[in-house]
Amino acid sequence: GAGVSQSPSNKVTEKGKDVELRCDPISGHTALYWYRQSLGQGLEFLIYFQGNSAPDKSGLPSDRFSAERTGGSVSTLTIQRTQQEDSAVYLCASSFDRVGQPQHFGDGTRLSIL
Amino acid sequence: GDSVTQMEGPVTLSEEAFLTINCTYTATGYPSLFWYVQYPGEGLQLLLKATKADDKGSNKGFEATYRKETTSFHLEKGSVQVSDSAVYFCALRKKLTFGTGTRLTIIP
Repeated sequence: GAGVSQSPSNKVTEKGKDVELRCDPISGHTALYWYRQSLGQGLEFLIYFQGNSAPDKSGLPSDRFSAERTGGSVSTLTIQRTQQEDSAVYLCASSFDRVGQPQHFGDGTRLSIL
Repeated sequence: GDSVTQMEGPVTLSEEAFLTINCTYTATGYPSLFWYVQYPGEGLQLLLKATKADDKGSNKGFEATYRKETTSFHLEKGSVQVSDSAVYFCALRKKLTFGTGTRLTIIP
């Protein structure tokens, strides 16, 4: 398919475990974004990639959160020592890296921390 | 920093009613403005956008005009349908700052 692909679609894990979320953007899109959608906080920006570098990490909530992107394509968001407040839907989006370009969103990963 | 204030929901309307969802923003310069929509069980998708003052974005019968003087980007539709039931998000800039979302339900 030509859309943004995220995996897994659902993840249930115990508090304290590490999790990795994957995003496969649309081919040719140089910009990649991670967002978090939770009941109490709405939609929040986490991090922006331009190619493989991340010029804006300002939305990462703590040092337990990290992300990388390799080959200008796939990105992984890692959450270490998960906490219950990390429960949310994590959304990935990609776009051409120009002002005004719309972002194309994946279906998200629903993360539940027990 | 940037912020978006969006009309509180939920909003319930009858089919063929006129819809307005208010959105105002705080930002420096001339940010690009967007409306995204999330239909039940589906992912976020772009509804319309405007990239400069006085631009009008339109799609699927929805319209929004970029008003720099009032820092607003209100979403309107003249006659809503049941299929328009969704959550609508106003957002700005490349690094999207979202409003809180407005859940719209259309009753047949």
